[in-house]
Parts: sequence; C-alpha cells; structure tokens
Amino acid sequence: QSVLTQPPSASGAPGQRVTISCSGSSSNIGNNYVYWYQQFPGTAPKLLIYRNNQRPSGVPDRFSGSKSGTSASLAISGLRSEDEADYYCAAWDDSLSVVFGGGTKLTVL
Amino acid sequence: QLQLQESGPGLLKPSETLSLTCTVSGDSISSSTYYWGWIRQPPGKGLEWIGSIYYSGSTYYNPSLKSRVTISVDTSKNQFSLKLSSVTAADTAVYYCARQWWFGEKRLDYWGQGTLVTVSS
Repeated sequence: QSVLTQPPSASGAPGQRVTISCSGSSSNIGNNYVYWYQQFPGTAPKLLIYRNNQRPSGVPDRFSGSKSGTSASLAISGLRSEDEADYYCAAWDDSLSVVFGGGTKLTVL
Repeated sequence: QLQLQESGPGLLKPSETLSLTCTVSGDSISSSTYYWGWIRQPPGKGLEWIGSIYYSGSTYYNPSLKSRVTISVDTSKNQFSLKLSSVTAADTAVYYCARQWWFGEKRLDYWGQGTLVTVSS
C-alpha cells in the first residue's frame, strides 16, 4: 500500500489531454513539493516534473504539473504514442522519507 | 555528463546480506548540494525509497527498512554503498542508485540503470 494514491491506469487517444492524479496528506504533499517520474519498461525512472510544476531541461511543455492542498496532478496534452509509460508521483514526508505513489500505467489508444 | 552505475551480486539466499555499490562518474560525490540515494522496485510493482547519504556520512532511511539498512560513502572512490541485512524473497527487486537534491527540495534527477537482485533459496 503506497503512501500516495494514484489511479492504476489512465488512457487517451493521440492528441487528447489526460491527467493523472496523486493524493496524499498534510504530512507529505500538503507541506512539500511534488515530483513526477516517467518510466518505460525495463528502464530507470526519469524526472519529469519537480517543485510541483517545473520541467527539467528537455522535457516537452506538453507535460505540466499542479498541486492543490494535499493533491497533485500531472497533465499531458497533445498525447503521443511515445508517452505510453508508467508515471509515479513522489513527495517528501514528515517521517523524513521520500514517499511514492503506486504508479499509473498510461495507455495511448 | 553525470553517470551512476550499480554493481553487486544478483542472487542471494534468504537471511544473507545484500551489498551493492554505486559508482558515480562525471561529478564529485563530495558536492555540497546533493545527497545520494537508493531506490528499489520489486518486479511489476512500484518504487520504494530506501535511503540517502551525504558525502559527510549523514544518512536518512526509510522508517520501514531502517532496522536492516546501512548506507555508506567512500569519497576517495566516488562511490556509495547499500547493505540490507536478513533479506527475504520480499527484497527481490531492481535496485537503483540516484542523485538527490536535498536542501530545499528532494528531486531525484540522475538515476543508474538499475540492477536486479533476486533472493531465492
């Protein structure tokens, strides 16, 4: 059971906009930054969003993050087939540890 | 370009101690900005942060693993290491090392490719 809650799956057609939610509590998301990671099968996770809504260099602006209270969301606009991957949210927790969501498998229809 | 590479045995028996090393190249592990962390992922499951270490030796561990985990650093070799004692089948996972920002935020921005550790009798 993960500390942060994500839907196990999400889907959308090419060109559409999809959002993935991440729910936590005041001990993690509520008081700390949220991070998003993208992972393709058999590869290491890649940082996609940091500090709630910042994109590392090289990440397309089709990816955006937001946070409100104890929840966060990752939005992907103009969905492309290469976006099909697993997505994980993460945050620092008051237990002095990083906590992750269980991951969301995104399918591009 | 920063690179991290995990190394260590891929097969352990129950009750043994898992030992992995992460070799960092392209940056000094003694940088004052970063901690260096371990994360694992059981087959088909999600990510779990194990812990992180500063070049000075300061550590933070996942409370659920703290009793079995030791992370150490060797600045002369630009390496840091993970030891996990009394392993069981539940510790079977891909183990990743990563660079972790620490002061002000906690992003994991560079990851190793990961190494699979299997615990089986």
